[in-house]
Amino acid sequence: QQQVKQSPQSLIVQKGGIPIINCAYENTAFDYFPWYQQFPGKGPALLIAIRPDVSEKKEGRFTISFNKSAKQFSLHIMDSQPGDSATYFCAATGGGYQKVTFGIGTKLQVIP
Amino acid sequence: NAGVTQTPKFQVLKTGQSMTLQCAQDMNHEYMSWYRQDPGMGLRLIHYSVGAGITDQGEVPNGYNVSRSTTEDFPLRLLSAAPSQTSVYFCASSPPVGGTASVQFFGPGTRLTVL
Repeated sequence: QQQVKQSPQSLIVQKGGIPIINCAYENTAFDYFPWYQQFPGKGPALLIAIRPDVSEKKEGRFTISFNKSAKQFSLHIMDSQPGDSATYFCAATGGGYQKVTFGIGTKLQVIP
Repeated sequence: NAGVTQTPKFQVLKTGQSMTLQCAQDMNHEYMSWYRQDPGMGLRLIHYSVGAGITDQGEVPNGYNVSRSTTEDFPLRLLSAAPSQTSVYFCASSPPVGGTASVQFFGPGTRLTVL
């Protein structure tokens, strides 16, 4: 009930490509869906987040698409750069839940 | 603000030794959590706290103890280290929104090796 399923686990794209990372959740009480970016040797940091009252949110080259009926959300990185190479985690919480449920993570490599 | 700080950054232990991983935050966040990160396993919750004096178990609590005597500090104790506890440990703090966990602010991590 509390799981967040994330795919793919790894992704290689060329510079300028648009990597897409997908997540699916089960708990309909979730109402906050953040994405975290983690560089090697560092802690994860909030990248962008969305609530289910909107279907899309953009911040710079990063876009979250949200499909409430399908209980799915995804991260798109426009014009990807080698500096975007990192591990990305989707997450979910809400409904009085005192914990955050994380996806397994996607290791992205952007090749020059 | 220093944010979330963790010490030490690296630690090597022998099987059976005990140690405490320190975590402190200066953002006055009520919620704090400990995660471990292992290859292919994502971030797994060990213990969490919703305020001083209140702690609860997460997904993988065995072999770890926590306490929360102040809002700022949330130490993680390894009682008798085992090689299976070799991992990278992250502490995080979060300002609750309506009693619900929200954005997590992570520390830089402690890389622990148990021989």
